[in-house]
Amino acid sequence: QVVLTQSPSASASLGGSVKLTCSLSSGHNTYVIAWHQQQPGKGPRCLMKLNSDGSHIKGDGIPDRFSGSSSGTERYLTISSLQSEDEADYYCQTWGTGYWVFGGGTKLTVL
Amino acid sequence: QVQLVQSGAEVKKPGSSVKVSCTASGGTSKYYTFNWVRQAPGQGLEWLGGFIPIVNIANYAQSFQGRITITADKSTSTAYMELSGLKNEDTAVYFCADSGTATTPVYWGQGSLVTVSS
Repeated sequence: QVVLTQSPSASASLGGSVKLTCSLSSGHNTYVIAWHQQQPGKGPRCLMKLNSDGSHIKGDGIPDRFSGSSSGTERYLTISSLQSEDEADYYCQTWGTGYWVFGGGTKLTVL
Repeated sequence: QVQLVQSGAEVKKPGSSVKVSCTASGGTSKYYTFNWVRQAPGQGLEWLGGFIPIVNIANYAQSFQGRITITADKSTSTAYMELSGLKNEDTAVYFCADSGTATTPVYWGQGSLVTVSS
């Protein structure tokens, strides 16, 4: 079964940009993942589904500041023009036949 | 756009069961693929199981096998997650989510708080 690894925390400046990483376990480089954002006190919302070639399907109403890219077993979420409301937990997630898997999440602090 | 509306908060005694519902609407797909995810206080997201209506099959995370049942009523586009043998550590917010398709995102319900306390 695939394992997803994320750094527990990240920080970036207001108005700047940040690139979050989700690492898939070895041998799982073709997997599609989803990036989810969870703002404090709210439920998750899907930012995008991200393919191994970097193409992605955005969630409803997700601004262009959020983009995704891929390289091998790495999946990236880049947030540009950081705003205060981007301070949140970010989870990557994938699926196989009959199961879902989540990464541990990255807590993003906007300075 | 798919909307998922879940049932309200519940308070349960240890050893009892809870049943949470999730009703879907919108979207263009005839069927919804329901998954259940929970989040304990201060913790990350944990997948419990899912239901694939087209083949009428439920799959469960190994750690919940034997005490979780997921069903769905296709006529009302409603999924149910029942968890039995509740323990204090089952206190969490329970979310339903629709997997979507190759061209649509994952959609989430608003969450249902389940509190297990004597």
